[in-house]
Amino acid sequence: AQSVTQLGSHVSVSEGALVLLRCNYSSSVPPYLFWYVQYPNQGLQLLLKYTTGATLVKGINGFEAEFKKSETSFHLTKPSAHMSDAAEYFCAVSPAGGTSYGKLTFGQGTILTVHP
Amino acid sequence: KAGVTQTPRYLIKTRGQQVTLSCSPISGHRSVSWYQQTPGQGLQFLFEYFSETQRNKGNFPGRFSGRQFSNSRSEMNVSTLELGDSALYLCASSSGTGLEKLFFGSGTQLSVL
Repeated sequence: AQSVTQLGSHVSVSEGALVLLRCNYSSSVPPYLFWYVQYPNQGLQLLLKYTTGATLVKGINGFEAEFKKSETSFHLTKPSAHMSDAAEYFCAVSPAGGTSYGKLTFGQGTILTVHP
Repeated sequence: KAGVTQTPRYLIKTRGQQVTLSCSPISGHRSVSWYQQTPGQGLQFLFEYFSETQRNKGNFPGRFSGRQFSNSRSEMNVSTLELGDSALYLCASSSGTGLEKLFFGSGTQLSVL
C-alpha cells in the first residue's frame, strides 16, 4: 500500500522568496515520486519525477526536489517565487517497476499563494 | 502534437441519470487513465485502459465503468448518478510502457443536481 502526506494545505510566500512544499510518502516497495501542478480550471502538469539514479531532480520552471529515502520525503523547492507560481501542487507516488498501470496515489494538495 | 482532449468541458445532470464522458489521448499513446477530483477526497484513481483492456481499477462502485476503442479513445460512464458524483473528472494518457509519465487533460466538470 502507498500513501502521500503533504504538510500544509496552504503555503504563502512573497515574490522572490524561497518556496518549500513538503511531501512525505509511505510505500512498501521502492517508489517512483512525482510533483504535479494544477492551475485553476486546468488539468495537472508534470513538474518533475524521480524514478532511479540521482536523488536531486530538476524540473520545469526552476523547481527541484530531493528524494530522501531515510526520511521518506520528496520536498519541492524553488529558490525564488514568481507570481506565476501561484497554483495547487500535488505530490504523487507509484510503485517502481512500471506495474502501476496508470495509478498514481496523490497527496491532498498544497495551494501556493505568492504575494507581491 | 495535440494534448489530451476531454469533452464535454461542463455537464449538468440530475440524480438518477447517467452520463458519458469522452477522452482522446495524445497521438501514439495507448494507455488512458481516469481520475475523480473532489475537494473532500482529492484525486482518486478510477481505472486504466491499455489496448482496449482494463488493466487496473480503483475502489469505485460498479456504477462507474469505462471502455477504450481501437483508436485509443476512451469513454467513462456513470450510471444512476448521485449528488456525491459531482466532481472534476480527469483523463490522462501515457505510452503505457511503465514509467507512468501521465499527461492530463483539462477535465470534465460534472455537476449532479
